[in-house]
Amino acid sequence: SQQGEEDPQALSIQEGENATMNCSYKTSINNLQWYRQNSGRGLVHLILIRSNEREKHSGRLRVTLDTSKKSSSLLITASRAADTASYFCATVSPSGNTGKLIFGQGTTLQVKP
Amino acid sequence: NAGVMQNPRHLVRRRGQEARLRCSPMKGHSHVYWYRQLPEEGLKFMVYLQKENIIDESGMPKERFSAEFPKEGPSILRIQQVVRGDSAAYFCASSPLAIGTDTQYFGPGTRLTVL
Repeated sequence: SQQGEEDPQALSIQEGENATMNCSYKTSINNLQWYRQNSGRGLVHLILIRSNEREKHSGRLRVTLDTSKKSSSLLITASRAADTASYFCATVSPSGNTGKLIFGQGTTLQVKP
Repeated sequence: NAGVMQNPRHLVRRRGQEARLRCSPMKGHSHVYWYRQLPEEGLKFMVYLQKENIIDESGMPKERFSAEFPKEGPSILRIQQVVRGDSAAYFCASSPLAIGTDTQYFGPGTRLTVL
């Protein structure tokens, strides 16, 4: 079964606004990753946060992780029309050493110019 | 350094035919993952391979699906006797390490349509 659940499922904002997407998961993790997928394309890795980290930044992206609540959030600041895409969180289990990603259902973000 | 390459990008098959999807990992990467994405859904793990070994196939359907990653050449995901429910986008990803802390690099995917 899928590990993550994301909300909202869809988000529509104006250019320049901030976008926040949330991800919840069910079991313990080694790390949590966020990916972007433009329509009809492959996935692009955005950021990885390890289970012992609470916050991480990369450019206009800010990711938080709360392992006690088994949740993560992705904040995109000063959004641009080019940020329009689907965003997925994915977790990696601490056991097994296979590194397989368990994806959430995704949030579809539309940034209106 | 070329990224992960997948071919074909689009594949149309009739019910009962075979589909062969190819994935060439990034140079220097020896770990390959296959994922399937149904319309409007997230990706679901299918199989993880290293050269000549299947490490984890817990996401593979029990019948009709097989995967290989030979010593030479690309990784192949093979679907025999395709059915309409196999219609999906199939993504391959590669990584240099598989200890759960490395980024996976995704290919552009193969979109399979079963008529």
